[in-house]
Amino acid sequence: EAQVTQNPRYLITVTGKKLTVTCSQNMNHEYMSWYRQDPGLGLRQIYYSMNVEVTDKGDVPEGYKVSRKEKRNFPLILESPSPNQTSLYFCASRSLWGGGTEAFFGQGTRLTVV
Amino acid sequence: LAKTTQPISMDSYEGQEVNITCSHNNIATNDYITWYQQFPSQGPRFIIQGYKTKVTNEVASLFIPADRKSSTLSLPRVSLSDTAVYYCLVGPKAGGTSYGKLTFGQGTILTVHP
Repeated sequence: EAQVTQNPRYLITVTGKKLTVTCSQNMNHEYMSWYRQDPGLGLRQIYYSMNVEVTDKGDVPEGYKVSRKEKRNFPLILESPSPNQTSLYFCASRSLWGGGTEAFFGQGTRLTVV
Repeated sequence: LAKTTQPISMDSYEGQEVNITCSHNNIATNDYITWYQQFPSQGPRFIIQGYKTKVTNEVASLFIPADRKSSTLSLPRVSLSDTAVYYCLVGPKAGGTSYGKLTFGQGTILTVHP
């Protein structure tokens, strides 16, 4: 089954404690991306990657890092989390061939930073 | 990227047809129109995608007039389970230099009543 898998689904952490949210896709997609979703602000893109070792900033990259060492994985790293990073995070992937913008999203990671 | 405008919310009743219109006045020649559905605390899910005229699949139809400055998502005979947020996205084909960024607007909150 084609899917994007995020882990963990829920995470509560303390300010300043480094954390990583993993994302993996099994569709051999070139493109992967991270979004955060906050009430009243909709979905905002954090980082995206067009292929292995190619990453670029989205609209709200401050405080986040990503890496793309393998095609299937695109972890999101918070080196020093702060309470304003409390949010619902989604990973997405899609093929860069065949036209259009269809993307597949993970189930989300709800992060709370206290 | 083309900006999109949708109604903030809509109400309907079970069994009715629902039409949600999206305005995208500055759509580019190579842009596709894509609609996503999102249930609370879940990742967005692809519904339908089109370039011009009409596209139909098992869940929805997408109507795009000749000037492509707007589009209408049509959901036939909605049920309570269709209550969700619906997003209209406009973006270029694969390979475009701006292909990495998908911009989600505020979406339309559709509430289906018994």
